[in-house]
Amino acid sequence: QKEVEQDPGPLSVPEGAIVSLNCTYSNSAFQYFMWYRQYSRKGPELLMYTYSSGNKEDGRFTAQVDKSSKYISLFIRDSQPSDSATYLCAMSGKGGGADGLTFGKGTHLIIQP
Amino acid sequence: ETGVTQSPTHLIKTRGQQVTLRCSSQSGHNTVSWYQQALGQGPQFIFQYYREEENGRGNFPPRFSGLQFPNYSSELNVNALELDDSALYLCASSLGGGHFVRPTEAFFGQGTRLTVV
Repeated sequence: QKEVEQDPGPLSVPEGAIVSLNCTYSNSAFQYFMWYRQYSRKGPELLMYTYSSGNKEDGRFTAQVDKSSKYISLFIRDSQPSDSATYLCAMSGKGGGADGLTFGKGTHLIIQP
Repeated sequence: ETGVTQSPTHLIKTRGQQVTLRCSSQSGHNTVSWYQQALGQGPQFIFQYYREEENGRGNFPPRFSGLQFPNYSSELNVNALELDDSALYLCASSLGGGHFVRPTEAFFGQGTRLTVV
């Protein structure tokens, strides 16, 4: 079993829909939870990060972490065609810097105009 | 656009050859991490350099090695290339080194796409 599981999709939704992206993980040591967006042929760009459990909102994006279930989510409201990209979840423990980030496979999201 | 630049953007190598990839970190950043992203996969941590020393490593064999220079730029070297080394190689620069770096302070470059034939 991989440390971080993420459905690769593709996930196709109409413009304006609410998008739900999810990851599960197995390592209890993970404390920091991130969502990155990656456009084709580009490096990942940080969207949201959360420490431990809870919710965090930034504009149209909401990140949720449930450490008891080892489950994290990213919600995108009022989705736009420009949101079409691959969304990667990533996690790290307390020593995250030197241990690096552990990423999911990424979910390919397509927003249909 | 981040201030992290990688070169070259693409290259093709033959199995068994050696390759060097380069990364210039964002101004003020003293830490560089390298990741390998195979097609359809998430990035995998290779190693991290802080103040010219490797201070963290993922599950990669010794033929993956690196350097960091006094100006904090970095190189990734891969010896005895294998077909499975074909991937996008990403570097991320940050400030802080061995201690945890808040994710908002780490920035990825565009990557180098390596194809091994």
